Amino acid sequence: GAGVSQSPRYKVTKRGQDVALRCDPISGHVSLYWYRQALGQGPEFLTYFNYEAQQDKSGLPNDRFSAERPEGSISTLTIQRTEQRDSAMYRCASSLETQRIGVSGSIGYEQYFGPGTRLTVT
Amino acid sequence: QKEVEQDPGPLSVPEGAIVSLNCTYSNSAFQYFMWYRQYSRKGPELLMYTYSSGNKEDGRFTAQVDKSSKYISLFIRDSQPSDSATYLCAMSAGGYNKLIFGAGTRLAVHP
Repeated sequence: GAGVSQSPRYKVTKRGQDVALRCDPISGHVSLYWYRQALGQGPEFLTYFNYEAQQDKSGLPNDRFSAERPEGSISTLTIQRTEQRDSAMYRCASSLETQRIGVSGSIGYEQYFGPGTRLTVT
Repeated sequence: QKEVEQDPGPLSVPEGAIVSLNCTYSNSAFQYFMWYRQYSRKGPELLMYTYSSGNKEDGRFTAQVDKSSKYISLFIRDSQPSDSATYLCAMSAGGYNKLIFGAGTRLAVHP
């Protein structure tokens, strides 16, 4: 079936502009996550939703960053007044549910990652 | 100091070699440990998952967790050129899936 999709795949914007990055999770996946990945680094957690509820936004760098998932499916990460330091790969992931671990430690909550949006702020 | 430390490599090995990839961590609350593989220009994909301490084997891959030493490993036997990728360790304390990733180790397996 279709995996996680993100759009646009590439975005170049001028400093000071607002950008909106879209994530379309795997159909039926309850949980959705946003990460930021700098070149040569692992993904860094930004925020997380269960259905439409934002459960944790502790990773958002500052108040210029916001995310929403109004109908519990598609999510948008918005960066206002972009700065050059915002340039990175922004990745979305989704999972079937938050957590379902059996006694054997089954991977009930595997996160599936999308291809990412490469944001460049000039 | 980062919560999760991982040697970025690059690591270059001949085909057929045994590869050992490692991460150390500082947060004793971590309970769930994962290894992701990331090919160039692609998103990470889950390879192995381990809950708490112990070993887990899946084909040519073995994941080990030593919580007393805060040290996890991924072993790849009979490495293949198709294994060339960046390998990321990730872990979480549970409750939900806020994954903390290492920086990733670049692996190149040459024929």
